[in-house]
Amino acid sequence: DTAVSQTPKYLVTQMGNDKSIKCEQNLGHDTMYWYKQDSKKFLKIMFSYNNKELIINETVPNRFSPKSPDKAHLNLHINSLELGDSAVYFCASRQLGGSTGELFFGEGSRLTVL
Amino acid sequence: SQQGEEDPQALSIQEGENATMNCSYKTSINNLQWYRQNSGRGLVHLILIRSNEREKHSGRLRVTLDTSKKSSSLLITASRAADTASYFCATEAGAQKLVFGQGTRLTINP
Repeated sequence: DTAVSQTPKYLVTQMGNDKSIKCEQNLGHDTMYWYKQDSKKFLKIMFSYNNKELIINETVPNRFSPKSPDKAHLNLHINSLELGDSAVYFCASRQLGGSTGELFFGEGSRLTVL
Repeated sequence: SQQGEEDPQALSIQEGENATMNCSYKTSINNLQWYRQNSGRGLVHLILIRSNEREKHSGRLRVTLDTSKKSSSLLITASRAADTASYFCATEAGAQKLVFGQGTRLTINP
C-alpha cells in the first residue's frame, strides 16, 4: 500500500528530449509538491498544488510544467532536457492545516540526462 | 533566504554513542521539522517542533528549538547501525512550503 508513488524510478535520456514523471498519492491529502535533489543532496522546492490549483511556483525554468488532473495526482513534464536537469525528483504530499504538517515523500525518480 | 543549514555536513560515530546534529535558519518560522533519508530512498518525517515549543522527544530522538538563536538540534541517543542515513531539517514560515537544508550524513560504525 504505497502512500506516494512515482514512476518511473529511473529515467535515462538524451539532451533535448522531453520526458514526464508521474506521481500519485492515496492518502487523501489536498496538497502535493515536487522537489529536486541535486548531487549534493540539496532539496529544492519546485512546485506545489492545493486541490488542483498551483500555489507555489519557484524560480524554475519554464521548460518544467507541472499538471494536476486531480488532487491525488501531480505530474511533471520537462521539455528540452539539459545536462543540469540530472537529479532526483521527489514528489510529496500533505494535508494543509493538518495537525502535524508533515510531508510524505515518494521514493524519488532519478533522471540522468546524457 | 529561509533555508536551513545543517552542521556538521558529515558525522561518523560508534554504535551506542549519541549523535547530535544542528540546524540554523534565517527567518522567523512557524515550525521546524526533521526528516531522515536512507540511501536511495525518499525522506521520512521524524519529528515536528512548533515555534512556541523548546524541546520535544520521540523515542530515542530529542529535538530542541531556540528561536532567539534561530537554531535547532537533533539528538539521537544510543545510536544503532540502522540510524545510518542523512538527516535534514526543514523550516516552514507560513508560505505553505517546507524549505530544506543540505542535510547531515550520519554514519554509525559497528
